[in-house]
Amino acid sequence: QSALTQPPSASGSLGQSVTISCTGTSSDVGGYDYVSWYQHHPGKAPKLMIYEVSKRPSGVPDRFSGSKSGNTASLTVSGLQAEDEADYYCSSNAGSNLVFGGGTKLTVL
Amino acid sequence: QVQLVESGGGLVKPGGSLRLSCAASGFTFSDYYISWIRQAPGKGLEWVSYISKSGDSVKDADSVKGRFTISRDNAKKSLYLQMNSLRAEDTAVYYCARVRGGYALDYWGQGTLVIVSS
Repeated sequence: QSALTQPPSASGSLGQSVTISCTGTSSDVGGYDYVSWYQHHPGKAPKLMIYEVSKRPSGVPDRFSGSKSGNTASLTVSGLQAEDEADYYCSSNAGSNLVFGGGTKLTVL
Repeated sequence: QVQLVESGGGLVKPGGSLRLSCAASGFTFSDYYISWIRQAPGKGLEWVSYISKSGDSVKDADSVKGRFTISRDNAKKSLYLQMNSLRAEDTAVYYCARVRGGYALDYWGQGTLVIVSS
């Protein structure tokens, strides 16, 4: 159950776009369409932003989008806003287990 | 609205035991798988365990297998995590979360802190 690989940090200016990658293997990310993305402000409950690779739950702005190619999934945040500054985690199933990425700290400049 | 509230965290000595609880409201508890996830200080999220709607099927991460036991009481709308043989590396904030399907966790609690230290 190895963690998925995410860059430790990412940054972008207000109004710009940023993409965060999440790399796994054919046993997790590449083998299923069950990639999710979570936004986590420290001290608060994590929030689901994307599920099943590219679907947005009700209430999540369409500035957040997800995609996948092979063993790598991506989260793109467009039109960056100050409140987007947070930690972002990807997850995938690996068979019947669940595995998370190490997390990416997004800084809005 | 959907709410999940964890409780039961605290300070425990290595080798000790602790039982966490998660009280659910605002949805039909028995219609959903529920999961435990933890976050060690300064670390990322780590999946711990999940349990089926009726409680007849569970899945645990290798790191807790044989030491932690997840269970639920649908009548009480509550989820539990019995943690035995605790180690320093189990120190973390423990979250419960609802599984919406497709392994996505759509609602999370605020977490409860477990500290394993002598």
